[in-house]
Amino acid sequence: EVQLLESGGGLVRPGGSLRLSCAASGFTFSSYAMSWVRQAPGKGLEWISSITGSGTTHYADSVKGRFIISRDNTNNTLFLQMNSLSPEDTAVYYCAKGWGSFDSWGQGTLVTVSS
Amino acid sequence: DIQMTQSPSTLSASVGDRVTITCRASQSISSWLAWYQQKPGRAPKLLIYEASSLESGVPSRFSGSGSGTEFTLTISSLQPDDFATYYCQQYDTYFKTFGQGTKVEIK
Repeated sequence: EVQLLESGGGLVRPGGSLRLSCAASGFTFSSYAMSWVRQAPGKGLEWISSITGSGTTHYADSVKGRFIISRDNTNNTLFLQMNSLSPEDTAVYYCAKGWGSFDSWGQGTLVTVSS
Repeated sequence: DIQMTQSPSTLSASVGDRVTITCRASQSISSWLAWYQQKPGRAPKLLIYEASSLESGVPSRFSGSGSGTEFTLTISSLQPDDFATYYCQQYDTYFKTFGQGTKVEIK
């Protein structure tokens, strides 16, 4: 059974940084692209970044230059380094398995950016 | 970026009803479209991929159709567990985009 478990969310001041992690199990992690999708409170879903198994990355314009996606295929973990955070980044952040459609999702971790 | 527009935004229906949700893309995306179901406080769940392929384990009352710029998600007979918000998502380009969502409410 595929399991994705996010961690690292919390309250951060505007301009601050946070690093999210997503521990994966139940599949051959290195063989699959992984993605991050976020959802602001009461809003819809927004794709923000994807990374292939070999490390090719893509970012949404809203986070490009501020967020960095990476992965550790030895320890089956996906990361999202978030810098220069603003209140508009407040959301639940989900990691998801896949590059095109996302067939498995974690439970999400809440990031709140507020002074 | 490709814009995805869903209609309606909210839909009121009864158990047993046939329900159809439409998703339109701002440019052709071939069949690179997925549908998700999301319940409050829960992660989204993949229902349909490549416009019409049913994800494993998803009930057969769910079906998807369309190609190019117009797509539909149909629930043939609405069940109590189906009251939720539904999102379409295109993956024709590296920059994936979602529709704004359609909330299916109890009539």
